[in-house]
Amino acid sequence: GAVVSQHPSRVICKSGTSVKIECRSLDFQATTMFWYRQFPKKSLMLMATSNEGSKATYEQGVEKDKFLINHASLTLSTLTVTSAHPEDSSFYICSARRGYEQFFGPGTRLTVL
Amino acid sequence: ELKVEQNPLFLSMQEGKNYTIYCNYSTTSDRLYWYRQDPGKSLESLFVLLSNGAVKQEGRLMASLDTKARLSTLHITAAVHDLSATYFCAVDKWGGGSEKLVFGKGTKLTVNP
Repeated sequence: GAVVSQHPSRVICKSGTSVKIECRSLDFQATTMFWYRQFPKKSLMLMATSNEGSKATYEQGVEKDKFLINHASLTLSTLTVTSAHPEDSSFYICSARRGYEQFFGPGTRLTVL
Repeated sequence: ELKVEQNPLFLSMQEGKNYTIYCNYSTTSDRLYWYRQDPGKSLESLFVLLSNGAVKQEGRLMASLDTKARLSTLHITAAVHDLSATYFCAVDKWGGGSEKLVFGKGTKLTVNP
């Protein structure tokens, strides 16, 4: 149990376009999900905490208007990167909390040309 | 501010040898997590340590937690090439109305034949 999926796994887009990434908990309900960003050879950086039915809590330095998070149901959170630029290229990983554990999705590699 | 420090950051080992990765954290926390990450992949949960003195073992890996010393260790016994990966420790932090994980920088382990 405790499987988290992400879609898409890989996306390439042009600068200025918006990209939506989905994170789903497949076999459990998750009130809280998290979005992380990871640069090459670096650790995970928490971007925001996504709570079902309420506004996301963003970490300091993360632009709310650029990284839109919606957690409309207990099994789905979405991250939309708006007006993407090359510096937004990164590996984005979501996780879903169940009890005291976080279960991680397989990640989405975003490349902005 | 909670800080999590891992050392070493890079570790090159010979197959068959033993070694230990250390994870220190700066403020009180009762839960510590170890993850493995292969290149281009997301995180795989290895161990969840929930209390002082906790010890868990899986195959050639053994993790322990000393909450008084704020120290966790990940011990590798008789390393094999398949253990080559990056290992992260993470500690729970309460903030912004939710518990969230603070990660160490990771230890890149290379096991040489």
